[in-house]
Amino acid sequence: QQQVKQSPQSLIVQKGGIPIINCAYENTAFDYFPWYQQFPGKGPALLIAIRPDVSEKKEGRFTISFNKSAKQFSLHIMDSQPGDSATYFCAASSEDSSYKLIFGSGTRLLVRP
Amino acid sequence: NAGVTQTPKFQVLKTGQSMTLQCAQDMNHEYMSWYRQDPGMGLRLIHYSVGAGITDQGEVPNGYNVSRSTTEDFPLRLLSAAPSQTSVYFCASSPMGLTWETQYFGPGTRLLVL
Repeated sequence: QQQVKQSPQSLIVQKGGIPIINCAYENTAFDYFPWYQQFPGKGPALLIAIRPDVSEKKEGRFTISFNKSAKQFSLHIMDSQPGDSATYFCAASSEDSSYKLIFGSGTRLLVRP
Repeated sequence: NAGVTQTPKFQVLKTGQSMTLQCAQDMNHEYMSWYRQDPGMGLRLIHYSVGAGITDQGEVPNGYNVSRSTTEDFPLRLLSAAPSQTSVYFCASSPMGLTWETQYFGPGTRLLVL
């Protein structure tokens, strides 16, 4: 049973476009929702994260939108650049789950020049 | 700080062989974990540890053993390798205390089991 569902599996946009990656979760106890970015041959690295007490968080060109009632959250990349081409993973965890992160299946993003 | 280091980078095993994947961190993090990454399946937690001497199972623990004798090291042992264990393995660490602490990942070990 997949607790965090991520879509799309892959995404291609032109430079300057705004790719959007969506995630949905089932466990209402989740209280931390990070996004990780992974470049080929590297380990994932934290990009941005949100807690459910806010509906939106921005860090530079990256924005998380959070809809608690729909149990959904999404990553928006403004003014995307070829250097943003990577695999993006959403994740979720809860205080009562011993810090375990549950990851989505990943989205491979390609930003064309 | 070197962060999280993993060795080897790449390994080929035959079915039935055993091996240990090494993981070390120099950030004095209490929490360490092992994930495997397979195409289309994201990262799945194998085992984790909240401190020296304490380990617990994740989502996919079968076929793997761990131990945590020091804060710095968290090795993952494959007792009898199977082709289904072909994957990329990542070790991660984070401070304890808050659910939302950042997890820092190592560069990964690519394992091929023939």
